Amino acid sequence: QQQVKQSPQSLIVQKGGIPIINCAYENTAFDYFPWYQQFPGKGPALLIAIRPDVSEKKEGRFTISFNKSAKQFSLHIMDSQPGDSATYFCAARDSNYQLIWGAGTKLIIKP
Amino acid sequence: SQTIHQWPATLVQPVGSPLSLECTVEGTSNPNLYWYRQAAGRGLQLLFYSVGIGQISSEVPQNLSASRPQDRQFILSSKKLLLSDSGFYLCAWRGRERAHEQYFGPGTRLTVT
Repeated sequence: QQQVKQSPQSLIVQKGGIPIINCAYENTAFDYFPWYQQFPGKGPALLIAIRPDVSEKKEGRFTISFNKSAKQFSLHIMDSQPGDSATYFCAARDSNYQLIWGAGTKLIIKP
Repeated sequence: SQTIHQWPATLVQPVGSPLSLECTVEGTSNPNLYWYRQAAGRGLQLLFYSVGIGQISSEVPQNLSASRPQDRQFILSSKKLLLSDSGFYLCAWRGRERAHEQYFGPGTRLTVT
């Protein structure tokens, strides 16, 4: 019940396309859902986050869609660019303020 | 502003040798500190976290240990490295106010030969 399941494991999209990365959880006590972006050889960096009382949040070209009843959330990248190529992690914060991490999605944007 | 440092950046060590990785945070006080390990092409495995000086919680029993001798210093150690200890080691901190945000250091790439 403490897991966050992330899919797909890898994704290849043409430049300008809209990659979508999905995450699902079971624990209804999770109260915050961040996404992190990691470039090769670097530490992950917080990209965008959402609370469960909000259905959508946009920051620039990045959008989180949240479906509380389905216990699912997803990251959409509009007008994707080769510079968006990275590994993306979803996470969920539990009642102990710890982050439970998804397994990651390696995204490649082809020029 | 807050910054987090890790060193060394890369390390190649033989099996059976000791290990000490250091992480320091600047610009904040009393942070929660974390050690993660990331195998090649894999996700983040939480190894240890600390809520204060001398307070360490272990998430995965293994060949590693952690210590927090000062408020903003977190050390990862091993007495005898195994081949399976190879990976990318990441230190992270979290403040008290924005509890959903963890900030990661640049990482240490450890290769055990």
